[in-house]
Amino acid sequence: AQSVTQLDSHVSVSEGTPVLLRCNYSSSYSPSLFWYVQHPNKGLQLLLKYTSAATLVKGINGFEAEFKKSETSFHLTKPSAHMSDAAEYFCVVTTTSGTYKYIFGTGTRLKVLA
Amino acid sequence: SAVISQKPSRDICQRGTSLTIQCQVDSQVTMMFWYRQQPGQSLTLIATANQGSEATYESGFVIDKFPISRPNLTFSTLTVSNMSPEDSSIYLCSVVRADTQYFGPGTRLTVL
Repeated sequence: AQSVTQLDSHVSVSEGTPVLLRCNYSSSYSPSLFWYVQHPNKGLQLLLKYTSAATLVKGINGFEAEFKKSETSFHLTKPSAHMSDAAEYFCVVTTTSGTYKYIFGTGTRLKVLA
Repeated sequence: SAVISQKPSRDICQRGTSLTIQCQVDSQVTMMFWYRQQPGQSLTLIATANQGSEATYESGFVIDKFPISRPNLTFSTLTVSNMSPEDSSIYLCSVVRADTQYFGPGTRLTVL
């Protein structure tokens, strides 16, 4: 069975400083992993995805994530936070078996301080 | 990617009534999904809707409460029946394309 744990419910950073949002997963199969962002009163937007190709995945808006099988982690990073990055971020795991069961983490709310 | 629209975008309803939410996709897809996002919470899958067959519901969700229709490959509806304040949530539909899930903008439902 698959599961995903987002280790921090809230993260605060100052504008211009690095962002780290942590995600650990559990999967019996080769997982596909995703990060989505949800701005206030907006829909979910795909930031990036990992599907067994390169372990370092680059996404939109300067975000990237590294798949580490030995640590079962898929942490999201950004070198320099911008005020517009303030949002809720969801880590998602699924299998490539075609069942399309997407398991969502509980979310991390990112606050960016001026 | 996929372009998904939902109607209505928001509604305020009285308890005991029902609301039908529509989801339209820009091109044909085999499966459509309905999620609920309660205030301050993550997403929970309600059901998977395949065209031409009954929807498959997740544990804790039943057809009498959340009937779903899937009349064709680009459209689906979710009805929230006999609503109570606990049904106040954002309801999102989604589709999978190229092994990636895309979401509609959501319907924000408030039940008084």
